Amino acid sequence: SQTIHQWPATLVQPVGSPLSLECTVEGTSNPNLYWYRQAAGRGLQLLFYSVGIGQISSEVPQNLSASRPQDRQFILSSKKLLLSDSGFYLCAWASGTGLNQPQHFGDGTRLSIL
Amino acid sequence: GQNIDQPTEMTATEGAIVQINCTYQTSGFNGLFWYQQHAGEAPTFLSYNVLDGLEEKGRFSSFLSRSKGYSYLLLKELQMKDSASYLCAVIDSNYQLIWGAGTKLIIKP
Repeated sequence: SQTIHQWPATLVQPVGSPLSLECTVEGTSNPNLYWYRQAAGRGLQLLFYSVGIGQISSEVPQNLSASRPQDRQFILSSKKLLLSDSGFYLCAWASGTGLNQPQHFGDGTRLSIL
Repeated sequence: GQNIDQPTEMTATEGAIVQINCTYQTSGFNGLFWYQQHAGEAPTFLSYNVLDGLEEKGRFSSFLSRSKGYSYLLLKELQMKDSASYLCAVIDSNYQLIWGAGTKLIIKP
């Protein structure tokens, strides 16, 4: 069966520090991968998605970036965090066999910027 | 623009039935998902509708009317563990997933 791992679960970072969140998927090949952010009590905001290695689409201009160095690895990064980057970050995967496949989420990373 | 509307919050009683509505205005339609999200946790997939009608899965059922741009999630025999937010999401004509803000369901004993 497929599993998705996302870490760390919780992160506290100072303003201006760098960020690296990692997500890996097991049990599937060529998945579509997604990074979302969810502010407290709000809906999901799509940040990036990827349909293959090295292919990244950005939905929202900001100081975050994403990379997909391997088929089942998706990384969210920032060179300098802002206070507004605080939130719940979720990685998700969906089967690459069709564009109407459900997305399955990792446990999320709760990021607090001080 | 693209829009999905859900009630912000609903309250129901343990053992009862509750219906959570979702209306959407999107550029095209290629399917609709319902997800459950407990507080502080990630969303989990509940159901998928692409054709009109009712899809039943245990205590949960999901209905779709494409002509009305409308769906609902029906939860029967409510349990305290059903207290969560329920998210509606629609796949548009470009196969982009449009998310609703979610409905927070509070179950009272």
